[in-house]
Amino acid sequence: AQKITQTQPGMFVQEKEAVTLDCTYDTSDQSYGLFWYKQPSSGEMIFLIYQGSYDEQNATEGRYSLNFQKARKSTNLVISASQLGDSAMYFCAMRESRNTGGFKTIFGAGTRLFVKA
Amino acid sequence: GAVVSQHPSWVICKSGTSVKIECRSLDFQATTMFWYRQFPKQSLMLMATSNEGSKATYEQGVEKDKFLINHASLTLSTLTVTSAHPEDSSFYICSTTGLNTEAFFGQGTRLTVV
Repeated sequence: AQKITQTQPGMFVQEKEAVTLDCTYDTSDQSYGLFWYKQPSSGEMIFLIYQGSYDEQNATEGRYSLNFQKARKSTNLVISASQLGDSAMYFCAMRESRNTGGFKTIFGAGTRLFVKA
Repeated sequence: GAVVSQHPSWVICKSGTSVKIECRSLDFQATTMFWYRQFPKQSLMLMATSNEGSKATYEQGVEKDKFLINHASLTLSTLTVTSAHPEDSSFYICSTTGLNTEAFFGQGTRLTVV
């Protein structure tokens, strides 16, 4: 079953405007972590922001912030004041525990963001 | 600077040969390393989890004998693609976790089998 859902294959945003990338998740764990990563064309994975399941406040990191709605199981990424360099693939990910111990991280399908000048 | 160093960044090999990809953790000990595979324009799919000094845990559908994982030390984990075929061509990337929650990724290896 799909555990991380990103419904927007591609998004366009005008430079200097804000954009929201959607992500919903499904888990039966009480404790889990939610991440957003940026992947430019070079392929490297760049960590952007983290939200723990017990964090009551929405996480913020510079121009990145999360709209975390636990009851709805959604963790949308908001990028403010978009820049041309923000054009990339964005992945939502969830870390959850394994039945056999330890944990693993699963990724959504990704959203490709295009920032227009 | 890079926390996880992955080499090679790209490799082209002939069908039937084996290719080894290395991931080294820099300045810290990585007891666990995750190996992912990413096809063009697709997401990262977890292949296996390696733990230092023990056998790797493979995800369902991943052939253990084809994708050999070794995690012999706290700073080095390797993935060997054995008897590579064109369908193994993909982007392979490793990841580990530091003291905090953030995951550190290698730079990735683009494998092309001809």
